Amino acid sequence: DIVMTQSPDSLALSLGERATINCKSSQSILYSSNNKNYLAWYQQKPGQPPKLLIYWASTRESGVPDRFSGSGSGTDFTLTISSLQAEDVALYYCQQYFGTPRTFGPGTRVEIK
Amino acid sequence: QVQLMQSGPEVKRPGASVRVSCKTSGYTFSSYGITWVRQAPGQGLEWMGWISPQNGKTDYAEKFQERVTMTTDTSTTTGYMELRSLRADDTAVYFCARSKYSGYEEYWGQGSLVTVSS
Repeated sequence: DIVMTQSPDSLALSLGERATINCKSSQSILYSSNNKNYLAWYQQKPGQPPKLLIYWASTRESGVPDRFSGSGSGTDFTLTISSLQAEDVALYYCQQYFGTPRTFGPGTRVEIK
Repeated sequence: QVQLMQSGPEVKRPGASVRVSCKTSGYTFSSYGITWVRQAPGQGLEWMGWISPQNGKTDYAEKFQERVTMTTDTSTTTGYMELRSLRADDTAVYFCARSKYSGYEEYWGQGSLVTVSS
């Protein structure tokens, strides 16, 4: 199985600050034939299902604010919130869909300081 | 609009089975698979498997291979997940989601709480 790790476990920032969440896969999730990274980011708020934010490592889902961006390739990926808003308080998960079982990172909790 | 509506909460005894349903609407049912993911209380997300409504092909996580069956009913555009031989550690919220086999989960159901307790 592909193991996904995330760092940090949690972070607390002031409103307007930049949040950076890292995700690492135990093997490359870049498919050479199409040059796509099979990596998605989800946001989950309490009592709600996950919400897709980013897919193919850097493509923002329709309707997701442009303060959210994804980057990285191969085994190392980053989710950036450029200017933290109160409504961004949530858990954030990365997921690889390169192989099965699809696996998620353990999550990063984002809070307001 | 795309919607996935799941069945209500269940309380089951250890050893019993549970079937969770996922009624879909707003898209061509056979064009997308249904993924099942669970989340134990206070824990992360765990992928259970995927089914194609088009041909019934399934791909189960090895951990659940012996205990899970995923099915679909194209006449009602509904997906089902049955988990057998329930244990206390199966207590979780079970989510269905729409996805392609080699894709991400775009739309999610609201979740169904399954509690296993004697």
